[in-house]
Amino acid sequence: AQSVSQHNHHVILSEAASLELGCNYSYGGTVNLFWYVQYPGQHLQLLLKYFSGDPLVKGIKGFEAEFIKSKFSFNLRKPSVQWSDTAEYFCAVNARNSLSYDKVIFGPGTSLSVIP
Amino acid sequence: DAGVTQSPTHLIKTRGQQVTLRCSPISGHKSVSWYQQVLGQGPQFIFQYYEKEERGRGNFPDRFSARQFPNYSSELNVNALLLGDSALYLCASSSVGQNQPQHFGDGTRLSIL
Repeated sequence: AQSVSQHNHHVILSEAASLELGCNYSYGGTVNLFWYVQYPGQHLQLLLKYFSGDPLVKGIKGFEAEFIKSKFSFNLRKPSVQWSDTAEYFCAVNARNSLSYDKVIFGPGTSLSVIP
Repeated sequence: DAGVTQSPTHLIKTRGQQVTLRCSPISGHKSVSWYQQVLGQGPQFIFQYYEKEERGRGNFPDRFSARQFPNYSSELNVNALLLGDSALYLCASSSVGQNQPQHFGDGTRLSIL
C-alpha cells in the first residue's frame, strides 16, 4: 500500500532562514508527487508537482522540490523563508495508472512557523 | 472561474444523526474526490467519482457513501454519526486524464456533539 511520511511535525524558523522539509513515500511503481500548502483559514493549494522529466521542479512563491527516485524522496526547499510562508505543508503521492490516478495519499503534514 | 465550492461551510450534528455534504467541481472537471481531514493530520482519501461511477474507495466504513450527478456535482453522505467523524471534509476536482492535479475546496467543518 502507498504511504507518505514527513520528517518533521513542526518546524520553527526565523525569516531569511533556509527551509528543507523532508518527504518519503512507499510505492514500487511510477508515481506523481505533490506538495500542497494550507495557509491558516484557507483551502489546500498546490505548491508544485512532479510527473516526469527534470527531477528538480520549481513551484510558486520560490519553492522547489527534488525527486530522488533511489531514495523514494521528494523534499521541499526554499532558500529564504518569509513570515507569510507560515502554513501547513503536505507532501502527497498517487500511483500513476488509469484506475487510481486521482487517489492521492497525503502525508501527515509539517507545520511551519516563521518568526519575523 | 469559480473554484471548487462546498456547502455548508460548518455543520453541527449529534451522534446517530445523518449528514449530507455537497460539492460543485470546477467547470469542466469530471472527477470528484472526497477526503476527511482530522485536526492535526493529513487528508485521508474517502471516495473518487468519475462520470457518476465510483472509481476508488478508501478505508472507511459503509456508513460513508457518495454519489455524483450528471452535472458532475457530488454529495457525501454519512449515516449514524460518531464523535470520531468530527473533521474537515474536503472535496477535490480534476479534469480528465493523467497528470492532472486536484483542486481543493474550502471544506465543510463537521462537528459531532
